[in-house]
This record gives sequence, C-alpha cells and structure tokens, in this order.
Amino acid sequence: QQQVKQSPQSLIVQKGGISIINCAYENTAFDYFPWYQQFPGKGPALLIAIRPDVSEKKEGRFTISFNKSAKQFSLHIMDSQPGDSATYFCAARSYGKLTFGQGTILTVHP
Amino acid sequence: DGGITQSPKYLFRKEGQNVTLSCEQNLNHDAMYWYRQDPGQGLRLIYYSQIVNDFQKGDIAEGYSVSREKKESFPLTVTSAQKNPTAFYLCASRYSNQPQHFGDGTRLSIL
Repeated sequence: QQQVKQSPQSLIVQKGGISIINCAYENTAFDYFPWYQQFPGKGPALLIAIRPDVSEKKEGRFTISFNKSAKQFSLHIMDSQPGDSATYFCAARSYGKLTFGQGTILTVHP
Repeated sequence: DGGITQSPKYLFRKEGQNVTLSCEQNLNHDAMYWYRQDPGQGLRLIYYSQIVNDFQKGDIAEGYSVSREKKESFPLTVTSAQKNPTAFYLCASRYSNQPQHFGDGTRLSIL
C-alpha cells in the first residue's frame, strides 16, 4: 500500500517535444506529491510539487497533472531540451516520510 | 552558503569493517533522513530523525545504525552486518511541512 509505481523506466524525446512521466499510488494518506530531478553524481533536487486538492500545477515548462479519484499523477515537460536529460522521480508523502517511484531516465536528443 | 554536506564523496569498505558516512546541515532543519539508491530501484528510506536524540527505522534499516546528538548532524554507520552495502547513499533534511532537500551523496564500494 506504500508503493508508488512510476513509468516509463526510460524515455527518449526529441528536442522541442513533450516528455510525459506517470505515477500511481494506493495509499490515500499521502498528502503531498513532489517530483525530483537528479543529474549523475548529484542528489535529487525538487522540481515541482502538488497537493491533492489541486488538479494541475504549472511552473514554466513543467506541469503536474493530478487525478485524485484515479490515484494517478503525471509530470509533463513541454519544449523538452537536452539540458532536461536526467533521472526523474515522483514521490508521495505520508506523515513526513517520502515514498519514491523507481525513477525515469529521460534523454532529450538535440 | 546554506545546505547539506555529505562526506566523503567516495568511500571504500573492506570486508568486516564498519564505515561511517557524514551528513551535516546548516539549514536549521529539524528532520533528517538517510536513503539508499540502487539502479532501477529509486530511493529507499534507511533511517530518519524528526528531532534531536530521537530516530526511527525506515524500510531497510537492517545492517545500519544512526545517531542524532546534534540538530545539524546525522551520521550513518554501515556495519559489517550489511552484506550488500555497495550503493549511493543520500542524506536529506526538512523544515516543518516543507519539501525535503538532499545532499550530493556518498558512493560506497566494497574492496
């Protein structure tokens, strides 16, 4: 019940395209859903986050869509750039603890 | 600059040896966390601490130990009981209901 399932495992997108990463969860006690971006040899950095009372949040080229009834949320990266190439993790928080998805390796070709 | 400092960046362990990974933060955060990252498995919680002198086991605590004697410091010891310690270890901290912030990790390998 604590799992967060993330897909796809890897994603290749052309420059200027849209990258979409999906996550699903079971635990209804989750109250906060962040996305992290990680470059090789570095720690994850918070990218964007959403609370379950909001269906969508946009920050620049990054948008989270949240479907509470389906227990799913997704990250959309518009106008993807080679600099966006990284590993992306979704997560869900319950009682201060984060449960992470397995990660998606995004490669954006120039 | 404020942040989370993990040291060393690379660490090697011999068989039967305990090693300690350092995590220091100057963000005045109350909560601190240790995660283990393996390829294709995301981040898994080892231990966490909400306040000084208190800590709880996470999902994969076996073979690890921690202490929280100071607010700024949360060292992780990988004991000889941890049979598969090779991984990337990440420390994080959090203030109140804010998001967790991560250090840049320590990569532990077995000699």
